[in-house]
Amino acid sequence: DSGVTQTPKHLITATGQRVTLRCSPRSGDLSVYWYQQSLDQGLQFLIQYYNGEERAKGNILERFSAQQFPDLHSELNLSSLELGDSALYFCASSVGGGDTQYFGPGTRLTVL
Amino acid sequence: GIQVEQSPPDLILQEGANSTLRCNFSDSVNNLQWFHQNPWGQLINLFYIPSGTKQNGRLSATTVATERYSLLYISSSQTTDSGVYFCAVGRNTGKLIFGQGTTLQVKP
Repeated sequence: DSGVTQTPKHLITATGQRVTLRCSPRSGDLSVYWYQQSLDQGLQFLIQYYNGEERAKGNILERFSAQQFPDLHSELNLSSLELGDSALYFCASSVGGGDTQYFGPGTRLTVL
Repeated sequence: GIQVEQSPPDLILQEGANSTLRCNFSDSVNNLQWFHQNPWGQLINLFYIPSGTKQNGRLSATTVATERYSLLYISSSQTTDSGVYFCAVGRNTGKLIFGQGTTLQVKP
């Protein structure tokens, strides 16, 4: 158990819908990262927050947004869902901005 | 952006065998991590190793930053070592760029 929790574990929804994925980092970690894993794209970095502020951004779609709250948990919002958004979404956390990252169990999103 | 290449893409071993996985990257980095994704999908951090050598039980890793490669050694492999091994690199931020992985199958 990495200490990073993600909810829900599975999510099945329809095209055009909006979903929210939630992540709680390890105790003491200030950085939260979101990654997407799909068969065709592999593991892709989406976005990083550090102590509530956006720190780095990857190829995150405009339909996707994230935030980190004062208690350091983070949410990833995916809207206007398309079939191609079906993937495993991971949250990771670390103490600072460039050290060991610990991954949560992931949320498997299926868009029908 | 930085490119990460892992080799071999697939590896099949008998239990007890040793193996070496390689990760090449195209530019200087100050963050390099090895992960194991088990058959249930969980990503487990094995090493944070931007340079030098580290060992953890039957696993060890070496990164030669000046030559832009890292090696992961697995000795006396066990069936529980099966899964996908990822190398991931980064520079100046926490953003990690992942390779495509090496899929390892250890047969009893």
